[in-house]
Amino acid sequence: GEEVAQTPKHLVRGEGQKAKLYCAPIKGHSYVFWYQQVLKNEFKFLISFQNENVFDETGMPKERFSAKCLPNSPCSLEIQATKLEDSAVYFCASSQGRGTDTQYFGPGTRLTVL
Amino acid sequence: TQLLEQSPQFLSIQEGENLTVYCNSSSVFSSLQWYRQEPGEGPVLLVTVVTGGEVKKLKRLTFQFGDARKDSSLHITAAQPGDTGLYLCAVRPYTGRRALTFGSGTRLQVQP
Repeated sequence: GEEVAQTPKHLVRGEGQKAKLYCAPIKGHSYVFWYQQVLKNEFKFLISFQNENVFDETGMPKERFSAKCLPNSPCSLEIQATKLEDSAVYFCASSQGRGTDTQYFGPGTRLTVL
Repeated sequence: TQLLEQSPQFLSIQEGENLTVYCNSSSVFSSLQWYRQEPGEGPVLLVTVVTGGEVKKLKRLTFQFGDARKDSSLHITAAQPGDTGLYLCAVRPYTGRRALTFGSGTRLQVQP
């Protein structure tokens, strides 16, 4: 596709429940990034993939968070046993991985943990 | 401590006014980007500045990269309601890092 697609747009979970978010990068892009935006402003990098391989996971919480990018499937970000502080908008971005390497962002998934 | 400090945090102005937003750091960067984010959407890249002292213009928006490549400014001339949004500067803090580190953001509201 020509745009990064993210589903669902909104997700509501009770504390302790699992949440799974999906991202379809732009076709032909090699890199996928996940960011978390809290308090409407602050962006935090979580993890990136080069094709189906983890490229950089330095921002990923060690517990409860996991992510995958499998061939011919949307990428996913999963949060086990959600906590109130996980409430945020989660953005996925993709890039070609060459040239100016511009990142194109999806519209985000708003996760609300009650 | 934030790597990139943006100021002001909030700005509410009338249509037609000029404004400048700042992005400052104590670190040197090979390049710096400016994004605009509108409600319910992801950030959209406005410009990338690479050379110290570089000035880039995008219609009514003027971007400048500091001579020492530690800071940048965004100037908007004759602001319009369509300029309303969250303005973010971003960098790749070190070679080999592809993920972006974003500034704290400036939320701009332009009143008609």
